[in-house]
Amino acid sequence: RKEVEQDPGPFNVPEGATVAFNCTYSNSASQSFFWYRQDCRKEPKLLMSVYSSGNEDGRFTAQLNRASQYISLLIRDSKLSDSATYLCVCHTGRRALTFGSGTRLQVQP
Amino acid sequence: SAVISQKPSRDICQRGTSLTIQCQVDSQVTMMFWYRQQPGQSLTLIATANQGSEATYESGFVIDKFPISRPNLTFSTLTVSNMSPEDSSIYLCSVHDKESREQYFGPGTRLTVT
Repeated sequence: RKEVEQDPGPFNVPEGATVAFNCTYSNSASQSFFWYRQDCRKEPKLLMSVYSSGNEDGRFTAQLNRASQYISLLIRDSKLSDSATYLCVCHTGRRALTFGSGTRLQVQP
Repeated sequence: SAVISQKPSRDICQRGTSLTIQCQVDSQVTMMFWYRQQPGQSLTLIATANQGSEATYESGFVIDKFPISRPNLTFSTLTVSNMSPEDSSIYLCSVHDKESREQYFGPGTRLTVT
């Protein structure tokens, strides 16, 4: 079983739509959580951290449910430029980040 | 934020040869990592490059195949030895910034083994 599991997609949505990605993690020792964005043929870049209380950054909302070991990312009012692969990431604090396999989003005009 | 450069950006190599990838960071960092991303897959950690001591390898990766150097706090190399087509992948250097608590990635080295 993978440590971090994501639906690979692709999610094909029209511009302006709201889309949600989910992720589950198996290591209960995970302390920090992130969403990274990876554009085609580029390196991953941090999109946002995920806090227990939930957090929002513009059109992006991230939530964490520690009891269910579940993380989500909500994107409102999708833009064409949101098209990318979104990586769910966990950190135990002892070593490097553990990445999910990513969810591909394609926003269509 | 840390700025990371990698050389080469891409290479096509013959089976049985070795390639050394360089990673340079614009600031001193304690933790440097090497990842691999195979086509259509997510990132897999190869090893943590430790300054002044041997690298710490993840399960499935060994020093003979992926020797790593870390001579100082701003530089590291990863060698992919005795390459086979299965080693075709993107290799990414990454650093953890203690202050921002973020992890940054280099642009990657795209390796094709024929």
